[in-house]
Amino acid sequence: GNSVTQMEGPVTLSEEAFLTINCTYTATGYPSLFWYVQYPGEGLQLLLKATKADDKGSNKGFEATYRKETTSFHLEKGSVQVSDSAVYFCALDFNKFYFGSGTKLNVKP
Amino acid sequence: GAVVSQHPSWVICKSGTSVKIECRSLDFQATTMFWYRQFPKQSLMLMATSNEGSKATYEQGVEKDKFLINHASLTLSTLTVTSAHPEDSSFYICSARDHREGIYNEQFFGPGTRLTVL
Repeated sequence: GNSVTQMEGPVTLSEEAFLTINCTYTATGYPSLFWYVQYPGEGLQLLLKATKADDKGSNKGFEATYRKETTSFHLEKGSVQVSDSAVYFCALDFNKFYFGSGTKLNVKP
Repeated sequence: GAVVSQHPSWVICKSGTSVKIECRSLDFQATTMFWYRQFPKQSLMLMATSNEGSKATYEQGVEKDKFLINHASLTLSTLTVTSAHPEDSSFYICSARDHREGIYNEQFFGPGTRLTVL
């Protein structure tokens, strides 16, 4: 079946630190992959996406590369800010969405 | 980008009453809409998929008589929680998919509706 596994949080970093949130997937076909961000009390906002192998999605300094060989889509940012504090969800789309469990990121000043 | 709205953004109701939540695609035609439920500090759980003009498809374990979904037009889907009880309290999120030809049929998410049943 289809599923997404992402690292458990919370992840606590100091401002300007490097961020990696791991995400791996299993899929019966060739899905599209997404990262969504959710701020407290709000819905999901699309952060970035990749629709095929080796594609790199990027937005607001965040990046993720669709790695078919390792079935991964790890989220990275070179220098996090306090405003990046939120919950991040990895997801795959194969006729319907499958979400990871979410990783809470806390960035301290 | 495509915008999906939900109304109300939050609602408090008494146990036993019914609550209707609206999901609208504001600038595109959504032939398919999805309803999710999110418990505190947890991921989204797909409840059902609704296609315009046809009955919704419910995920396993979701009571279709409890959560009534109507997708009467290409821009509006409604979720009615019937005879709500405190355990129905949750954050409900809808999403809509744009099926126009030539456009990648990405899902766009609404801002969510927080339901509290007293």
